[in-house]
Amino acid sequence: KAGVTQTPRYLIKTRGQQVTLSCSPISGHRSVSWYQQTPGQGLQFLFEYFSETQRNKGNFPGRFSGRQFSNSRSEMNVSTLELGDSALYLCARSLTDCEGAFFGQGTRLTVV
Amino acid sequence: AQSVSQHNHHVILSEAASLELGCNYSYGGTVNLFWYVQYPGQHLQLLLKYFSGDPLVKGIKGFEAEFIKSKFSFNLRKPSVQWSDTAEYFCAVWNSGGYQKVTFGTGTKLQVIP
Repeated sequence: KAGVTQTPRYLIKTRGQQVTLSCSPISGHRSVSWYQQTPGQGLQFLFEYFSETQRNKGNFPGRFSGRQFSNSRSEMNVSTLELGDSALYLCARSLTDCEGAFFGQGTRLTVV
Repeated sequence: AQSVSQHNHHVILSEAASLELGCNYSYGGTVNLFWYVQYPGQHLQLLLKYFSGDPLVKGIKGFEAEFIKSKFSFNLRKPSVQWSDTAEYFCAVWNSGGYQKVTFGTGTKLQVIP
C-alpha cells in the first residue's frame, strides 16, 4: 500500500470551472507533493508542501494552487479550467528526500 | 535547470531477455536518483533509489541500477525479464536545493512478450 489516499478518483469538469482535489498521507508524513501526468508531457512537478508551508513549486501558472492542513492532508485547486488541464494528478508522501516518494493512485481529471 | 533523459521510449523484449533502460541527468550538484515503475492501471511504485554509498543499487523484483557519476547516468537493469515486468518505468532526479525539486524522465514503456 502506498499510504496515500486521493479523492475523488475520477472527475469531469467543464472548461472555466474550478476543481479541488484531496490527498491524505498516512500519519507522520509531513511532506506532500503534487504531480501532473499527461501522455505528452509525462510527469511534471507541481508543488510540495511540508508542515503546512509550500516548500517547492514547479513551473505551472497561478491557476494551480494548493494548501496543506495541520493533519498533513493536502488540497490542490485549479481555477478556470482549460482543456489542457485534463490529466492524472498524483499526490505523493515522503519523509525525507532520501526516502523518495510514495504515490497515490491519482485523480483522473477530464475537462470538457 | 536539471533535466532527465530516458532515450528508450518503448522497449519490447521476450521473456528471459536481459534489460537495460538508460537514464541520463543533467545537474551539477548532489542528487538523489530513483527509478519508479507504473504497472497498467496501478500507481507509481518505487523500484530503487540511490543517494550515497555503493553506486550499484539493488531494488525490488530483481532490478538493479548503477550510478556512474562521470557519465551522469543511472541505468536500470534486470538480467532476465518476466511477462509481469510489462510496465512503464520512470527515472527521477531529486535535489535538495533549487527551484524545481523533482524532475522525472518521460518514461520507458516496456513490453515483455511471453
